Amino acid sequence: AQSVAQPEDQVNVAEGNPLTVKCTYSVSGNPYLFWYVQYPNRGLQFLLKYITGDNLVKGSYGFEAEFNKSQTSFHLKKPSALVSDSALYFCAVRAPSLNFGKGTSLLVTP
Amino acid sequence: DSGVTQTPKHLITATGQRVTLRCSPRSGDLSVYWYQQSLDQGLQFLIQYYNGEERAKGNILERFSAQQFPDLHSELNLSSLELGDSALYFCASSVAGTSRNEQFFGPGTRLTVL
Repeated sequence: AQSVAQPEDQVNVAEGNPLTVKCTYSVSGNPYLFWYVQYPNRGLQFLLKYITGDNLVKGSYGFEAEFNKSQTSFHLKKPSALVSDSALYFCAVRAPSLNFGKGTSLLVTP
Repeated sequence: DSGVTQTPKHLITATGQRVTLRCSPRSGDLSVYWYQQSLDQGLQFLIQYYNGEERAKGNILERFSAQQFPDLHSELNLSSLELGDSALYFCASSVAGTSRNEQFFGPGTRLTVL
């Protein structure tokens, strides 16, 4: 089965510091991986995806993700966190629906 | 704004009742997906339609059913409701039904079963 795991329930980071939200995957064949963000009482917003090609994928709001085949990881990163980045982040794999991780709550403090 | 609309935003009903949730996909999108989000189960895929035809099924209960109409809007019908059906129900759409396309999510319908 195609699945992803997000090992951290919550990540805390100070504003201006780099942030990383972790995701590992377990798939057969080529993985199609996605990151979504959910703000309180809102739907999910697409951030970025990896289909093929460059291992570093750039997305919305300054986020990027690094696909690492040997470590089966697809971590979400941002060089400088903003308080407004505080939200719930979901990693997902297409199978062909989206199989989501349980989510990681990101808290950026001023 | 993703371009996906869902109605109603909130729904409060009693156990044993039946409700219908409605979704309009983004203009041009042929595929519609339904998801359920709850605290204990997380985000779970329920069902996918593509251009009016059922394409994939996930963890959808037999009490739940869905359809996609010729104008591409979709409805999710939940019947014999139980307390555990209380959740946020999301609709998403994509251009095609393939794995490469990102899905765009609506704002959700919050269902409360009392």
